[in-house]
Amino acid sequence: NAGVTQTPKFQVLKTGQSMTLQCAQDMNHNSMYWYRQDPGMGLRLIYYSASEGTTDKGEVPNGYNVSRLNKREFSLRLESAAPSQTSVYFCASSGRTSGRGNEQFFGPGTRLTVL
Amino acid sequence: GDSVTQMEGPVTLSEEAFLTINCTYTATGYPSLFWYVQYPGEGLQLLLKATKADDKGSNKGFEATYRKETTSFHLEKGSVQVSDSAVYFCALRNDYKLSFGAGTTVTVRA
Repeated sequence: NAGVTQTPKFQVLKTGQSMTLQCAQDMNHNSMYWYRQDPGMGLRLIYYSASEGTTDKGEVPNGYNVSRLNKREFSLRLESAAPSQTSVYFCASSGRTSGRGNEQFFGPGTRLTVL
Repeated sequence: GDSVTQMEGPVTLSEEAFLTINCTYTATGYPSLFWYVQYPGEGLQLLLKATKADDKGSNKGFEATYRKETTSFHLEKGSVQVSDSAVYFCALRNDYKLSFGAGTTVTVRA
């Protein structure tokens, strides 16, 4: 099992460019998540998908869109990148959204720089 | 809303030293508590968890006890190794949402 995979690992964009970050999991998990990690701020939830066909906003959704393509894949799109979106982006998945102790499994991250 | 506060780093230790990273939380209801570890260049891995008051999570020599009365979940290890150098995140889970602390960078010197 590969677990949670993300592509690309690194990306440099110019302000105003668009791009899509890809995430896939092979654990048959129902729920998937996108986080951003900024220095001194821990991880903040951008969007999540409780199950195939549903998506919901997290703590910092502005400037992003998501697509739950199927049960395995959950993509994050930046339509018009801004320097404030320079960050490390992590995808995660879990068996279900709620439930005590339900663990989230994380991908290796995508380091994005917007110039 | 829910929040997690953990001690600021960086923390630098010698091998075999005792490590404590303090974590306190604010939450409604009965959250589950987690410690995640991030090694350089990698994603987060679950280190240990506790789902109810007085539970003790343990893994790889690390321990943390869910203390509802003090709203704390401090991480401890009795004898650290160089391989424990990483960033440690305390987190709580209420319903779907994981709330993270800012992270504590730990460096262990040989």
